[in-house]
Amino acid sequence: AQSVTQLDSHVSVSEGTPVLLRCNYSSSYSPSLFWYVQHPNKGLQLLLKYTSAATLVKGINGFEAEFKKSETSFHLTKPSAHMSDAAEYFCVVSDYRSWGNTGKLIFGQGTTLQVKP
Amino acid sequence: ETGVTQSPTHLIKTRGQQVTLRCSSQSGHNTVSWYQQALGQGPQFIFQYYREEENGRGNFPPRFSGLQFPNYSSELNVNALELDDSALYLCASSLTGTGEMDSPLHFGNGTRLTVT
Repeated sequence: AQSVTQLDSHVSVSEGTPVLLRCNYSSSYSPSLFWYVQHPNKGLQLLLKYTSAATLVKGINGFEAEFKKSETSFHLTKPSAHMSDAAEYFCVVSDYRSWGNTGKLIFGQGTTLQVKP
Repeated sequence: ETGVTQSPTHLIKTRGQQVTLRCSSQSGHNTVSWYQQALGQGPQFIFQYYREEENGRGNFPPRFSGLQFPNYSSELNVNALELDDSALYLCASSLTGTGEMDSPLHFGNGTRLTVT
């Protein structure tokens, strides 16, 4: 079975400083991993995805994530936070069975990013 | 291209009632998934529809049911509403059958259901 654990429920940074949102995964198969962002009263927007190509994945709005198999981690980073980055962030893994991808996504509990001026 | 649209945006129902939520998939997409997001939690998979048939289901009771129509739009029906059904219900569409098994889901803004 697949699962993801987001290690911080709340992260607070100052505008212009780096962002690190941590995620560990568990998967019996080579995982497909995603980061989604959710702004207040909005749906989920895909930031980036990893599907066994390059281990460093670049996404939208300056975010990137590095897949580390040895550490079972997929942390999200951004060099310089902007006020508009304040939102809820979800680490997500695709659900696989022995017969393949079920099409279901398994979400972490979410990390609230606060950006202070 | 039009995105995923959901209606209504907000809904208040009484315990025991029934509710229908609607979703129009993104243009070109043939698969619709529904997720329930309780306050402060990550979304939980309810079920997925492909070619008008249920194609996978999460740990939700049978009073949660759905439909997909020939134009790929979808409905989520919940019978005998309970207080714990209060949540944001998210619809997501994707394209299945192209060989891209990890076609990302495109989410709508959700329907906020409150059960009193």
